[in-house]
Amino acid sequence: EVQLVESGGGIVQPGGSLRLSCAVSGFTISNSWMHWVRQVPGKGLLWVSHINSDGSSKTYADFVKGRLTISRDNAKNTLYLQMNSLRAEDTAVYYCATDLSYGMDLWGQGTTVTVS
Amino acid sequence: QTVVTQEPSFSVSPGGTVTLTCGLSSGSVSTSYYPSWYQQTPGQPPRTLIYNTNTHSPGVPIRFSGSILGGKAALTITGAQAEDESDYYCVLYVAGGIWVFGGGTKLTVL
Repeated sequence: EVQLVESGGGIVQPGGSLRLSCAVSGFTISNSWMHWVRQVPGKGLLWVSHINSDGSSKTYADFVKGRLTISRDNAKNTLYLQMNSLRAEDTAVYYCATDLSYGMDLWGQGTTVTVS
Repeated sequence: QTVVTQEPSFSVSPGGTVTLTCGLSSGSVSTSYYPSWYQQTPGQPPRTLIYNTNTHSPGVPIRFSGSILGGKAALTITGAQAEDESDYYCVLYVAGGIWVFGGGTKLTVL
């Protein structure tokens, strides 16, 4: 069974940092693009960032503005999101997802980030 | 800035057919946008229904189908069931390694 398990969320003060992790089991991520998607409770899904299979190409939504950095460790089968200079508006549930044909495919359960 | 549009809400009777759409604020959606569709219930992560316009994710009932209709991506539910009452989101690959979600459609089955 494929599982994506996010961790690293929590409560952080404005201006603080967090590093989210997404550990994948039952699926080798080395050949897969990966995404981070976030969702403010009660609101819609918002694409955050994408990374290609070897980590050489990374893209971000405009609102990231250099504050978030996506990375991956294929040897550990894990995806990361380094979040710096956090703002109240970054408060959300953060999901990791695999990519399939230019869309998100397998999803984790999410980790909650609260900036307050 | 690309804006992806979805109906905020929709209602369908049990057993009925409903088509949800996913459009662009400027221009038409084509298969080149690789539209995908997701179902989400409160407190749960999204569930992938359709990817690459019309390909079913494993385990998704065949009553869900994807297509391009009138310049928009479309998700059709044929024979809606009570358990289909959920939020539905589309996402488009708008090129340059950027994806944009629609605002979601809240589907009521009654």
